[in-house]
Amino acid sequence: AQSVTQPDIHITVSEGASLELRCNYSYGATPYLFWYVQSPGQGLQLLLKYFSGDTLVQGIKGFEAEFKRSQSSFNLRKPSVHWSDAAEYFCAVGDSTSGTYKYIFGTGTRLKVLA
Amino acid sequence: NAGVTQTPKFQVLKTGQSMTLQCAQDMNHNSMYWYRQDPGMGLRLIYYSASEGTTDKGEVPNGYNVSRLNKREFSLRLESAAPSQTSVYFCASSVFSNQPQHFGDGTRLSIL
Repeated sequence: AQSVTQPDIHITVSEGASLELRCNYSYGATPYLFWYVQSPGQGLQLLLKYFSGDTLVQGIKGFEAEFKRSQSSFNLRKPSVHWSDAAEYFCAVGDSTSGTYKYIFGTGTRLKVLA
Repeated sequence: NAGVTQTPKFQVLKTGQSMTLQCAQDMNHNSMYWYRQDPGMGLRLIYYSASEGTTDKGEVPNGYNVSRLNKREFSLRLESAAPSQTSVYFCASSVFSNQPQHFGDGTRLSIL
């Protein structure tokens, strides 16, 4: 079965430090990959997506992610974290193996930013 | 644009009561989804509608029913609520099923 793993449940970084959130997926074909962010009490907002082409994708709020097929990974990065980045982050893979297309979400990584 | 609107935002039910969660989108999207979010479990798909007139079960459909009323609206019904259905419910929509999804702000449902 297709799956998405976010191995870090919680991450704490200092404001201004760099950030990398890990995401590994299990999917037979070329995947569609997404990162979403959820602020407390809010819905999910799309940060970036990978469909094909350049393996380094840029998103909103200064985030980027790199698709590495050999490692089945799609890690999210930001060079300098701001306090407002504190939120929960979800990786998702688009799954079409059942004949219709749906997302599979990871369990999320909660980011805490220290002032 | 409102995007995806969910009503109500909060609800408390007693075990055995029924309830319908409403979702409407104004983006002319074809596909709509219902998820539940529980601590440590991410989002799990309950039902989805790839296009108007179709609905399909997701990962956790038991205890729920859905209706795609028209292209804009996709409702989720709990016929006989159980405490295990206490959760935050999210509706989402996308232009087509292989495109990014847009989410509502959620309905926080507690069942006593």
